[in-house]
Amino acid sequence: GAVVSQHPSWVICKSGTSVKIECRSLDFQATTMFWYRQFPKQSLMLMATSNEGSKATYEQGVEKDKFLINHASLTLSTLTVTSAHPEDSSFYICSARVPGTSGLGVETQYFGPGTRLLVL
Amino acid sequence: KQEVTQIPAALSVPEGENLVLNCSFTDSAIYNLQWFRQDPGKGLTSLLLIQSSQREQTSGRLNASLDKSSGRSTLYIAASQPGDSATYLCAVRRPGEGNNRLAFGKGNQVVVIP
Repeated sequence: GAVVSQHPSWVICKSGTSVKIECRSLDFQATTMFWYRQFPKQSLMLMATSNEGSKATYEQGVEKDKFLINHASLTLSTLTVTSAHPEDSSFYICSARVPGTSGLGVETQYFGPGTRLLVL
Repeated sequence: KQEVTQIPAALSVPEGENLVLNCSFTDSAIYNLQWFRQDPGKGLTSLLLIQSSQREQTSGRLNASLDKSSGRSTLYIAASQPGDSATYLCAVRRPGEGNNRLAFGKGNQVVVIP
């Protein structure tokens, strides 16, 4: 299957700093990518949908000014956690939609390996 | 709002036993249901995808059934192996919300004891 990578795989930062996480689709061009957050023993929660060349669509309750998303190319989306705080510590997973699969019931998404963020 | 529940949250079985993992969802209007595997600290690997019109899908030792009207799916893993130890996530794709996004359960955490 298609490969989606994330960098870094883990990061530790001080409270108040900003952290950037990259999501890349390695062997296909993804016009749409998704960012999820997963707390321990919890389900994946969609944070935002990133569309290449346009503004991201954020889920209710997700602060767009805190979680900046940029999808400047067809293979790269970035999530920047600005002024990170300990409560932002979580596992962040991106997913890329395979082009042409957004029709009813056939959508295919590939998931990245995740980025573990720890804010001290 | 679609809610996905997975029972049991965690289970341990001796090697060789069959595994039965349950998933239920509150809104039966779905496009498909997907089972994923997640290893600790890792991303998701898709195992099986069942379209709303299908009753089951099989891949090797894995079999997933879907009863859309009752909002249930079951993942069977035959003759479990230690390598099957992981968290199994159930997700349903629901319509009418722009990007047809997935709603995930919290997972079934499985440990297969050698």
